[in-house]
Amino acid sequence: SQQGEEDPQALSIQEGENATMNCSYKTSINNLQWYRQNSGRGLVHLILIRSNEREKHSGRLRVTLDTSKKSSSLLITASRAADTASYFCATDGSNYQLIWGAGTKLIIKP
Amino acid sequence: DTGVSQNPRHKITKRGQNVTFRCDPISEHNRLYWYRQTLGQGPEFLTYFQNEAQLEKSRLLSDRFSAERPKGSFSTLEIQRTEQGDSAMYLCASSLGGTQDTQYFGPGTRLTVL
Repeated sequence: SQQGEEDPQALSIQEGENATMNCSYKTSINNLQWYRQNSGRGLVHLILIRSNEREKHSGRLRVTLDTSKKSSSLLITASRAADTASYFCATDGSNYQLIWGAGTKLIIKP
Repeated sequence: DTGVSQNPRHKITKRGQNVTFRCDPISEHNRLYWYRQTLGQGPEFLTYFQNEAQLEKSRLLSDRFSAERPKGSFSTLEIQRTEQGDSAMYLCASSLGGTQDTQYFGPGTRLTVL
């Protein structure tokens, strides 16, 4: 069963614009992670945010976490064509497994 | 290349045949995970090893699925008597351990059952 739901399912923006994706989850977590997947490179880890953190940055990525609303957002600033991919949030389950949403498909138009 | 590797990358088989996939984790990682991903969905957890011990296998999809990690290094995932519904991407990941444990994924094995 999937824990998270990403919103929107698909997003198409112009290169240079910012992209925001949201993730909601159902149960309490220790941490939440964002991954990127494209056909060329498989699943790549982007960022991990702990349950006691509210915001985290990594380069052009900004992740927020609101545990009271059980939601997280991923912001990609100054998007590039290479950012075209599917983005997934994953939360920690039992036995260190990750529980995933269905992803947001991001398309960056040149 | 010191990342997670999986072989084969693609497998086409006929219904009823057995298939086996291999995963080689990052060398110092003691945790290894198998996931399945179907089109348009996120990965679905199947099983998990801590070194050679399989600590979670209840999520394996049926008794046709089995996994091993005999020496705590590489792992194999076998599907017996394949069915068309088994067609999917099978992903392997490994991690070092600890409470904030980033999982690193291999490129996956895409299985097509005809």
